Amino acid sequence: GAGVSQSPRYKVAKRGQDVALRCDPISGHVSLFWYQQALGQGPEFLTYFQNEAQLDKSGLPSDRFFAERPEGSVSTLKIQRTQQEDSAVYLCASSPMGGGGHETQYFGPGTRLLVL
Amino acid sequence: AQSVAQPEDQVNVAEGNPLTVKCTYSVSGNPYLFWYVQYPNRGLQFLLKYITGDNLVKGSYGFEAEFNKSQTSFHLKKPSALVSDSALYFCAVRERRGGFKTIFGAGTRLFVKA
Repeated sequence: GAGVSQSPRYKVAKRGQDVALRCDPISGHVSLFWYQQALGQGPEFLTYFQNEAQLDKSGLPSDRFFAERPEGSVSTLKIQRTQQEDSAVYLCASSPMGGGGHETQYFGPGTRLLVL
Repeated sequence: AQSVAQPEDQVNVAEGNPLTVKCTYSVSGNPYLFWYVQYPNRGLQFLLKYITGDNLVKGSYGFEAEFNKSQTSFHLKKPSALVSDSALYFCAVRERRGGFKTIFGAGTRLFVKA
C-alpha cells in the first residue's frame, strides 16, 4: 500500500517568502507528526496531530510556523517570512492509533527546503 | 534535559564482521526506545523498539538491540554485517507517560566495506 507522501520534495524560497509543505499520511492513520531535520542532525519534533486536533505544538520554533490538519488526513506545515535558518528537511510521519508510547511511526521522504 | 547521544558519527566495519552502533539516553522514567534507519533518498524506516520485558530486542534485517537500564544504553548490534547495511542509523526515545514528543539522536553513519 501507499506510504506517507510529501510534496514538494524540494523547495527553494527567497528569504521573506511564505511556503507551504504538504503531507499525505497513510490512509486511516490517526496520528501525524512533523519534524525538522537540519543537516547532519537527527529529526527534531515540531508538532503532533491526533485526527484534526493539534495536541502538541511545543516544538514549533516560532510563531512563523503554523500547521493544520483540518479534516484529520492531509496536513500542511506553513512557514511565514522564511529565514535562512529555516533551511532543513521537513519530515512528516504517521502512526495508526493515538500516537502515544511505543507506536511505530511511518515516515515520508521529506521536503528539502532551501531559503536563499 | 532529555537527550539522546550517539557518540560515534561514523562506524566502519568489514563485511561479515559484527557491528555495534552505540546509543545512550537521558530521559526520565523508563522510556520506550527505538532504532530507525535512513537510506539515501528514502525516508526513515523503523528497525526495532524496546517496550518491556526481555532486554534483547530483535528487529528487521537481522538487527538486534540490547537495553541496559543501569547504563541507560540501547546499543544496536548485528552479528554479521552486510554491505547493504551501510546507511544512517538513528536512536530515538519517548517517555512512557504523557507527551507525544520523540527525541532522536544525531545519527551514526555505518559503512560496511566488502
